[in-house]
Amino acid sequence: QSALTQPRSVSGSPGQSVTISCTGTSSDVGGYNYVSWYQQHPGKAPKLMIYDVSKRPSGVPDRFSGSKSGNTASLTISGLQTEDEADYYCCSYAGSYTLGVFGGGTKLTVL
Amino acid sequence: EVQLVQAGAEVKKPGESLKISCKGSGYSFSAYWIGWVRQMPGKGLEWMGIIYPGDSDTRYSPSFQGQVSISVDKSISTAYLQWSSLKASDTAMYYCARSVSSGWSGFDYWGQGTLVTVSS
Repeated sequence: QSALTQPRSVSGSPGQSVTISCTGTSSDVGGYNYVSWYQQHPGKAPKLMIYDVSKRPSGVPDRFSGSKSGNTASLTISGLQTEDEADYYCCSYAGSYTLGVFGGGTKLTVL
Repeated sequence: EVQLVQAGAEVKKPGESLKISCKGSGYSFSAYWIGWVRQMPGKGLEWMGIIYPGDSDTRYSPSFQGQVSISVDKSISTAYLQWSSLKASDTAMYYCARSVSSGWSGFDYWGQGTLVTVSS
């Protein structure tokens, strides 16, 4: 069982928006502004999409946005494109003992 | 261009030792934390540990404490992940990744991964 809970799958049509949730506790997501999101295509290394809850690295389209409310972080992808189909993982700092924790991953299908 | 280049795939027997590498280039290697992430076949990502090349400060996730060893040789901009006695359950893809700024913000550059297969 992963420390952070994500839906196993979400889907959407091209042009639509989808939101992927990531639920933790006050010891991880809720306690720090260190939530990051990764996109992973099959057979590839993960790619950073969002860090520090809502910051976008250079080169990541502004269709990708992150937010947090309480113990739940969210990744929203607007204007879905076929190339967005991938697995998405959230990650949070969880204190000086546990360090970092990932969510179980969400498979995004673009119909 | 920032790059992390990992060693090639390894096939080992249970009980054998192994050290895999991750060489950084295109940035000040000593100034950014390097983390290691495990992905078992068909499974999700797992946070293993992190090291700061500048002073070799190393932290381990409780799940991996005592199971692996993380080290660095900053003179050659290379981080390492090591096992003293492999188990079949260590079969996985292992990624190294550079941390954004503080160390906890996220991993912005990733190696291509090293596939470790442990089988008798």
